[in-house]
Amino acid sequence: ETGVTQSPTHLIKTRGQQVTLRCSSQSGHNTVSWYQQALGQGPQFIFQYYREEENGRGNFPPRFSGLQFPNYSSELNVNALELDDSALYLCASSFGLAGRTDTQYFGPGTRLTVL
Amino acid sequence: DQQVKQNSPSLSVQEGRISILNCDYTNSMFDYFLWYKKYPAEGPTFLISISSIKDKNEDGRFTVFLNKSAKHLSLHIVPSQPGDSAVYFCAARSAGGTSYGKLTFGQGTILTVHP
Repeated sequence: ETGVTQSPTHLIKTRGQQVTLRCSSQSGHNTVSWYQQALGQGPQFIFQYYREEENGRGNFPPRFSGLQFPNYSSELNVNALELDDSALYLCASSFGLAGRTDTQYFGPGTRLTVL
Repeated sequence: DQQVKQNSPSLSVQEGRISILNCDYTNSMFDYFLWYKKYPAEGPTFLISISSIKDKNEDGRFTVFLNKSAKHLSLHIVPSQPGDSAVYFCAARSAGGTSYGKLTFGQGTILTVHP
């Protein structure tokens, strides 16, 4: 059973650019959640995708968007990057049924630095 | 508005003794609580969880206690081992609404277990 994987591991971008982060779910999971973890803080919920549709969103602006594919892998896109977007981006997968989700299992994260 | 709080940024314990990590929450809509452990450069690893209808859950050396009236939960690790040294996050899951499955995290507690 493969765990949650994320790519790339590290990324450096400049302000105003766009970035796409990728996540592969754990086998058997159909729900993906994305979190942003700033230095010294706990992860903050960005949004969740269940069966290819957004199933809840945290307090993040629309320039944060996502996709989930038929194989349940997912992308997080961030447009018009700002310095404060520098953080560790975590993807978590879980099994969901009719909107209820079990325990979320996290990938290793993508460290994004915006200069 | 910090709905989940871990008021101790760090905890230092001797090997073999008990480690007690604490977490307080304010939202009565939380229905499920989880503890995650995080090593540097890795994603959070699920440790143990508890439903809001229970007051205790045990798994090996790890026990989580929930006091709903006080909106407080704690993680006990006994006996503590040097390999337990990591950052521990308390997380709470929202029940219902548009963000079902969203996890709200505390700021984390750095546990150091000395040999």
